[in-house]
Amino acid sequence: GAVVSQHPSRVICKSGTSVKIECRSLDFQATTMFWYRQFPKQSLMLMATSNEGSKATYEQGVEKDKFLINHASLTLSTLTVTSAHPEDSSFYICSAGRGEVEELFFGEGSRLTVL
Amino acid sequence: AQSVTQLGSHVSVSEGALVLLRCNYSSSVPPYLFWYVQYPNQGLQLLLKYTSAATLVKGINGFEAEFKKSETSFHLTKPSAHMSDAAEYFCAVENAGGTSYGKLTFGQGTILTVHP
Repeated sequence: GAVVSQHPSRVICKSGTSVKIECRSLDFQATTMFWYRQFPKQSLMLMATSNEGSKATYEQGVEKDKFLINHASLTLSTLTVTSAHPEDSSFYICSAGRGEVEELFFGEGSRLTVL
Repeated sequence: AQSVTQLGSHVSVSEGALVLLRCNYSSSVPPYLFWYVQYPNQGLQLLLKYTSAATLVKGINGFEAEFKKSETSFHLTKPSAHMSDAAEYFCAVENAGGTSYGKLTFGQGTILTVHP
């Protein structure tokens, strides 16, 4: 089956630094990928839609300059948390769509801890 | 706008007992509905989905869910729980229609514990 992989699975960084999280579709091409974040004991919240070869579309309330998304190829989208602060600590999950079918595949998530 | 409410953040059952995980949604347009399962340190895995076909949807691992428009519900059931069903379950809704493809609104999740 289709697999979506995220890296790193866990990352700890100092406040003020930037962190990049990768989302890869391993056996299919994904023109569209989605980034979610999940705070403890809360549901996943859609942050942005990543479109291959074009700018990402951000949901209301998500700072596009803080959460930089790049979808440079059909198998890779990256999320960069810039100038991270402790309140950015969260679980970030990506998903990728295959074809026109309503079929989404989720990565295993990346847990970010900002000290 | 759409939202999902999962009743009960924790559900505990005995092995062999009925599993019932509740999900209610609100949506201004016809919805697509999903149940996902997440095992520790793994990504979300699709259990089943409703996309305006049959209202009773059968998924993997013996799970099924019934779409009830009048009750705005999409509860997940399994007749007999197995130890391997212990995981966190998420209900999600998506507005039917191409422009909303992939934009899911999730419930807060329900952790299922199965006792021997």
